[in-house]
Amino acid sequence: QQQVKQSPQSLIVQKGGISIINCAYENTAFDYFPWYQQFPGKGPALLIAIRPDVSEKKEGRFTISFNKSAKQFSLHIMDSQPGDSATYFCAAPINAGGTSYGKLTFGQGTILTVHP
Amino acid sequence: EAQVTQNPRYLITVTGKKLTVTCSQNMNHEYMSWYRQDPGLGLRQIYYSMNVEVTDKGDVPEGYKVSRKEKRNFPLILESPSPNQTSLYFCASSALRDPRSPLHFGNGTRLTVT
Repeated sequence: QQQVKQSPQSLIVQKGGISIINCAYENTAFDYFPWYQQFPGKGPALLIAIRPDVSEKKEGRFTISFNKSAKQFSLHIMDSQPGDSATYFCAAPINAGGTSYGKLTFGQGTILTVHP
Repeated sequence: EAQVTQNPRYLITVTGKKLTVTCSQNMNHEYMSWYRQDPGLGLRQIYYSMNVEVTDKGDVPEGYKVSRKEKRNFPLILESPSPNQTSLYFCASSALRDPRSPLHFGNGTRLTVT
C-alpha cells in the first residue's frame, strides 16, 4: 500500500512559471518530510525537507508548505527554469525508536518539464 | 569524494540465473537501503540495514536477499531472477546518528531479466 500519495504524475510548466507538486499521507507517525530531486541517469538527491512543527520552509526558489490537519505537504518551485526539469519525489520516514530512518516511504514521483 | 557506488550500471540476464548487485559507501554510514524504481510506482524499499548484521524487510522484499557483513557494503542478491524484477535499482546510505540526515543514493543499476 502506498502510504504517501503524490500528484500530479507529470507536469509541464513554462519558464518563469510556478510548479506545484502535492503529497498526501495517512500515517500520523511520520515526523519528517523530505523532497528528493532526480536527474536522468542519476540517483535522487535531497532537495529540501520540513518537520511538522513548522508550516512552511523556503530555500531559494523552492518552498515546502505543510498542512498538518489535512495531512498534506507540497513543493512549490517559483520562477521555474529548464534546469529544474527532473523527477521529484516526496517521502516520509517512520519513526523507529528514536531514529527516523527505518522504513522510508516515497511518493510515486512527478516528472517536471520546464519549457524554455 | 563521499559517494555510494553501485555495480554494475547495466545488467541483462535470463530467468533463474543468480545475480548480485554490489553497493559500497565510503562515508562510514550505519544505515543502508535498497530501492527499486518503476514508472508510476516511484521508489519502493526492498530491504534496509541499520548496522552490520542487522537487516529488515522493506515494502517489496519478495525475491530478494541482502547481507551486511561489513559496514561499507550492502549487496543485493537475486537468487532466481524473474522478468517482474526488471527494474531500476538504487542503493542508498545515511548516518543513523542524525535521524534527519539525507539519504545518499548511488547512480542506479538497470536490470533486465528476459
